[in-house]
Amino acid sequence: DVKVTQSSRYLVKRTGEKVFLECVQDMDHENMFWYRQDPGLGLRLIYFSYDVKMKEKGDIPEGYSVSREKKERFSLILESASTNQTSMYLCASRRPRDLYEQYFGPGTRLTVT
Amino acid sequence: DAKTTQPPSMDCAEGRAANLPCNHSTISGNEYVYWYRQIHSQGPQYIIHGLKNNETNEMASLIITEDRKSSTLILPHATLRDTAVYYCIVRVQTGANNLFFGTGTRLTVIP
Repeated sequence: DVKVTQSSRYLVKRTGEKVFLECVQDMDHENMFWYRQDPGLGLRLIYFSYDVKMKEKGDIPEGYSVSREKKERFSLILESASTNQTSMYLCASRRPRDLYEQYFGPGTRLTVT
Repeated sequence: DAKTTQPPSMDCAEGRAANLPCNHSTISGNEYVYWYRQIHSQGPQYIIHGLKNNETNEMASLIITEDRKSSTLILPHATLRDTAVYYCIVRVQTGANNLFFGTGTRLTVIP
């Protein structure tokens, strides 16, 4: 079974803190994604990565950065957390040839106070 | 991307077929229909996808109308574990692809 794991299920941080969200997948997938999910807004893509050291901005990249140093790991960084970044963050991975199927992690619910 | 419209919520009796509709009247010829679901406190899970033919797998069936302006996801024998939010997504299959999830249909399977 494909497994996508995220470092924390719940996280509480203060405004201005630097926050790291880690995602690891064990299926050697080239493509990885970070989304945020908010009530009434569905999922919105923050960043995605085709492969190691490659990244592309999604629909809402402002306030975020990413790092992909190893194929299995994709990190989302909030440089200076703000209250409007309180959200559920979901990581996903995919094989490039399977464009229809993304495998999602369980999510990290981040609260910024 | 074509816009999709789904009812916000539906109920289904356990053991009965659940039929979840999706309207995508502005779909273009190269856009696929995907279905995902999200069980509470979990990440989304892929169910099925199709272009114009009906599709079936171990989880569900997908019926796409001949004009492709709407589709129906069918769970043939709904169980309590099928209670989830179901998302219909219309998207071209390209390399740079992300999936846009709207607000979906909350399906509640009732014992």
